[in-house]
Amino acid sequence: GAGVSQSPSNKVTEKGKDVELRCDPISGHTALYWYRQSLGQGLEFLIYFQGNSAPDKSGLPSDRFSAERTGGSVSTLTIQRTQQEDSAVYLCASSLELADQYFGPGTRLLVL
Amino acid sequence: AQKVTQAQTEISVVEKEDVTLDCVYETRDTTYYLFWYKQPPSGELVFLIRRNSFDEQNEISGRYSWNFQKSTSSFNFTITASQVVDSAVYFCALSEEGYSTLTFGKGTMLLVSP
Repeated sequence: GAGVSQSPSNKVTEKGKDVELRCDPISGHTALYWYRQSLGQGLEFLIYFQGNSAPDKSGLPSDRFSAERTGGSVSTLTIQRTQQEDSAVYLCASSLELADQYFGPGTRLLVL
Repeated sequence: AQKVTQAQTEISVVEKEDVTLDCVYETRDTTYYLFWYKQPPSGELVFLIRRNSFDEQNEISGRYSWNFQKSTSSFNFTITASQVVDSAVYFCALSEEGYSTLTFGKGTMLLVSP
């Protein structure tokens, strides 16, 4: 079956602009995660959605970052007023409740 | 707070050599889960294995094997008879009770030369 998909694959933006990154989880997966992978920080957790529960936002680095998950499926990660340090690969994963996470190919974000 | 340490930043071996990737973890929970993921040059993280804290049995899957030792808080990964296709970055990760978010180590880049 189809895996986790993310779009766009690559995004180049100018400092100060807003960006939206999209994640389509595996069908039927109730949990969805966003992680960020950067050279300096490695792989970091950002936010976690599980069913209808309030999301765990404890990993978001600043209030410029937000995410939503509509209809328990697709999720959008939004970065407002992007900064150069936001340049990274943004990875999305999904899982059944209390099960292994499967990752998408990521979105490579470059902020100029 | 939990922490995962992969002390080996980069390892280079010649094809057919055995190689062990080290992983040491810290957690205060008695129930937790340990994982290994592979990230080939294409960039996608590929799930390899999950082990829960109550199961210390070693596991073997083909050329891959994992050694979990609670006494030393280690979860090491061995590739036997390495192949060029094994070249990738390997991440060890930890999830505490509730089995939700993952805390990753910094990763070990494995380069297997022909």
